[in-house]
Parts: sequence; C-alpha cells; structure tokens
Amino acid sequence: EDQVTQSPEALRLQEGESSSLNCSYTVSGLRGLFWYRQDPGKGPEFLFTLYSAGEEKEKERLKATLTKKESFLHITAPKPEDSATYLCAVQAPASGGSYIPTFGRGTSLIVHP
Amino acid sequence: DAGVTQSPTHLIKTRGQHVTLRCSPISGHKSVSWYQQVLGQGPQFIFQYYEKEERGRGNFPDRFSARQFPNYSSELNVNALLLGDSALYLCASSPRDRTYMNTEAFFGQGTRLTVV
Repeated sequence: EDQVTQSPEALRLQEGESSSLNCSYTVSGLRGLFWYRQDPGKGPEFLFTLYSAGEEKEKERLKATLTKKESFLHITAPKPEDSATYLCAVQAPASGGSYIPTFGRGTSLIVHP
Repeated sequence: DAGVTQSPTHLIKTRGQHVTLRCSPISGHKSVSWYQQVLGQGPQFIFQYYEKEERGRGNFPDRFSARQFPNYSSELNVNALLLGDSALYLCASSPRDRTYMNTEAFFGQGTRLTVV
C-alpha cells in the first residue's frame, strides 16, 4: 500500500529562521510528487510538482527537492505569512490505468514575527 | 478568471439522509476530482472524472457516487449518511492531460458537511 509520511507534524519558527519539512514515501512507480499549501478553512493551493530524483523547484522563499525515497520543502527566511499547513502528495498507477494521489497528513507551520 | 467553485459551503444533514455536493471547474479544465478531508488529516481521494468518464476511484463505499456533466461540472452524491461522513469535501480541477494523470490541481474552498 502506498504511504506518505510527513514530518514534523508541527513546526514553530521565528521570522527569518530557515528550516525544512520532510515527506517520505513508499510507492510503486512514482508518477509525480506534489506540494500544496493549505490555509485554515480553505482548499489546498498548488506549489510544486516533482517527477524524478534530483529535480528541484523554487518559488520565492520555498524550494522543493526530490530523492528516490523522500522530498524536502526548504523554507528560507520565512515570514509570518508563510504560516500554513504544507501537504505532500504522491501519485502512482492504480488498476485500470488510472492514477491515484495519496496525501500525507501535513506539517503545520507557524512563523512568529 | 473564476477559480473552482463549490456549493453549498456548509451543510448539516441527519444520519441516513443523502446529500449532493456540486463543483464547477476552472474554465477549460476537463478533469475534476473529489476528496474527503477529515480534520487534522490530508485529503483522501474519492473520484476522478475526465471527459465525463470515471478515471479513478479511491477506497470509499458504494454509498459514494459522482458524475460529470457535458459542461464539465460535477456532482458528488453520498447516500445513507453516517456520522463518520462529516468532513470537508474538496473538489479539484486540472488542465487536460492525455495520460489522465493529476498534474497540478486547483482546489475549491470545499463544502463542510456535518452529519448529526
């Protein structure tokens, strides 16, 4: 069974204090790893898609990297507005030619001013 | 451009009733997926529809069904509601992809369903 584990569950940072969130996965035939940001009471907001080990993508203070077993979301000099839950999802082939995404439970990030 | 819109935003139902949730995708998006998100957990995949055909189904009972209309909007139906069905139901639309993979997905605000 495909599994996605995110750590830590919760993270508190001071403004400007860089850190990393981890997403480890066990899937057969990875067809994409996705990072989303979710604010309370809202739907997830797409951040990145990574497809192969060694791939990296950046957006403002965020940088996502991928290995064969895990992905990291690096947050450089975070600001209070970066506070949110960060979700990781993997996609792998399922029966009938479909692709099923599996989400982790998320990391709740709070950045204090 | 309007994003993904879902209706209603909140709903309270009694055990045993049925419910219909609606979703309008972003203009031009032909793929719609439905997710259930219980408080404190990540979204759990229910269905994906592409060009009005079911392309993927998660591990949910047959009480859950969905359909997609010619204008690519979608409905999620849940029969015989249980207390455990209380959750945020999310709809996501994706750009057309010939392999039917869920590339970047754009989520709506969700429908908060409470079963009492």
